[in-house]
Amino acid sequence: GEDVEQSLFLSVREGDSSVINCTYTDSSSTYLYWYKQEPGAGLQLLTYIFSNMDMKQDQRLTVLLNKKDKHLSLRIADTQTGDSAIYFCAARESSASKIIFGSGTRLSIRP
Amino acid sequence: EAGVAQSPRYKIIEKRQSVAFWCNPISGHATLYWYQQILGQGPKLLIQFQNNGVVDDSQLPKDRFSAERLKGVDSTLKIQPAKLEDSAVYLCASSRTSGGTSYEQYFGPGTRLTVT
Repeated sequence: GEDVEQSLFLSVREGDSSVINCTYTDSSSTYLYWYKQEPGAGLQLLTYIFSNMDMKQDQRLTVLLNKKDKHLSLRIADTQTGDSAIYFCAARESSASKIIFGSGTRLSIRP
Repeated sequence: EAGVAQSPRYKIIEKRQSVAFWCNPISGHATLYWYQQILGQGPKLLIQFQNNGVVDDSQLPKDRFSAERLKGVDSTLKIQPAKLEDSAVYLCASSRTSGGTSYEQYFGPGTRLTVT
């Protein structure tokens, strides 16, 4: 089955760009997602990308997909303190609607 | 539009006791999901309902966990008896459909369970 991996921590300076990386194993995954989880809250869908795209931009967020390497990244431009959260990469299995989540990357912002 | 509601928000029980969680999805959402999120990990799907039928319960520990969605709206998840390793946040999510295109899942705030 699908396995999704991402680094556990990322620290960036306020105003810099943040890049969170993720790898997945199932090359036939149809949709790839980025979710944000703030303390004590559920997950909020930030953005998603179809597997036939290689880039998607939405305001400060840019998603890059390298299907050959099965690598997904999320770039947050002009990172703000409100971006502090855990970011989860997730992949939708090709054969069903099940979503497989990574373990999350905790983003912390330095002043 | 009201979001996904869950209760209680927190629960502390002793091992071998029973516990139940409740979820009310967004109105009109046919698909409901229960996830288990252990500290430091991503959510893991326990069970998925389409209306009042089970679509996927392959990762539900059926010897102790049960879930129902009798009228195709709200749902309860029960653990009986609880073990220490059940300590986690239990997240409920809903979506309009389980197939189709992107079908965004909307998550509730979760119930944090501590088993002592």
